[in-house]
Order: sequence, then C-alpha cells, then structure tokens
Amino acid sequence: NAGVMQNPRHLVRRRGQEARLRCSPMKGHSHVYWYRQLPEEGLKFMVYLQKENIIDESGMPKERFSAEFPKEGPSILRIQQVVRGDSAAYFCASSLGSGSNQPQHFGDGTRLSIL
Amino acid sequence: KQEVTQIPAALSVPEGENLVLNCSFTDSAIYNLQWFRQDPGKGLTSLLLIQSSQREQTSGRLNASLDKSSGRSTLYIAASQPGDSATYLCAVVIIQGAQKLVFGQGTRLTINP
Repeated sequence: NAGVMQNPRHLVRRRGQEARLRCSPMKGHSHVYWYRQLPEEGLKFMVYLQKENIIDESGMPKERFSAEFPKEGPSILRIQQVVRGDSAAYFCASSLGSGSNQPQHFGDGTRLSIL
Repeated sequence: KQEVTQIPAALSVPEGENLVLNCSFTDSAIYNLQWFRQDPGKGLTSLLLIQSSQREQTSGRLNASLDKSSGRSTLYIAASQPGDSATYLCAVVIIQGAQKLVFGQGTRLTINP
C-alpha cells in the first residue's frame, strides 16, 4: 500500500518562474493538507482540500499561491512568479477522514530552491 | 493562538540510555496530539497519536503521555539506539474550520554509539 507520493523531490526554479508541486494521497484518502517548512523553522499549515474543494486556505499567502485537488489526478500546489523567500520544503499529508482519531500521513516532501 | 514549544532543541546521549523529550502547548483545546520523526531530507513518520481523551500511548520502546490541563506531552524513549537519531516533532491537532496540525520546532536527537 503506497504512502503519500510527492514529486518532484527536488525542484530548482529561477526567480519569476512558476513552480508546480504534485501530491498523490494514500489510496482511499480524500483529505489532503499542504505544509511548508522554511529553513530553520517548524512546519506551518498552508491549505486543506477535499476532492474538488478547498476547505481551508487560511495559511496560504494571499498572492501567487494556489492549490487544487481535482476529481482525477494528484493535488497540485502552484507558486507563480517565485521569489527567493519561497525556498523551502513543501510537505503534503493525507488522511482517511477529518475526525480526531484520523492521523495525517506525510510524504517525503518537495525541496524547492529558487536561484 | 496555539503555540507549541519543544525542549530541548537538541539532545545528545550515549546509546542505551532512556530519555524524555518535552512538548508544551498554550491552548488545551486540542483534539489530539501526534509525535513524528523526521530524518534528514525525508518526510515525517508518525510515531504515536494520543487522542484528547487519552493519557498515554505506547509503541515498542516509545511511550507518549498527554496532560491536557497543564498543556504538556512527553515522549519517552527506552534503551536508545543509534538508529533513533533524528528530529522528533510534536504536533497538536486543532479544529479551526478544518483539522490542522500545529507543530513545534522539534528536538534534534543524536544517539552516540
């Protein structure tokens, strides 16, 4: 049973380019969460999605960042016009449900480096 | 606003010792608490989940306790091994519209052979 799959593992972009990060949840999981880990900082919640719906995006920067979880295919975190401060590890997690006894399972992350 | 603090930030002990990692949180209104392990360049591995109604959970050499009223959790590792070297993260689950994990900064643990 495959875990949460994220790709690419490493992504290098120049300032002003777009970055697309993909996340395939565990089989049977319909709840997806994105977190960002800035250098020397803890993980911070960004957005929570269910299939075709953004439930909570309170942790997302207001500009340049967007997320989707289409009916078919992986969840995508998209960063437009990247800047140096976007360099971080981006982690995706999935859960079977949203109840308090449903743990979130994490992928290995995408390390984004902005030149 | 919920804040999670982990002490110490780093810990180095000889192999075979028992050790305790500490986690504190400012708001006792949590739904559960999870302990994770993070290896360098890797994702997070869930170690233990304690629901808010529980006091502790055990898995192998790991035991996690939860005291909601005082806002504290501890992770006890028995008979430590070099393979236990990693960063250990504590996270509380809060419900603010959606289930969210609020993480501490982690404790970087090194077990010396």
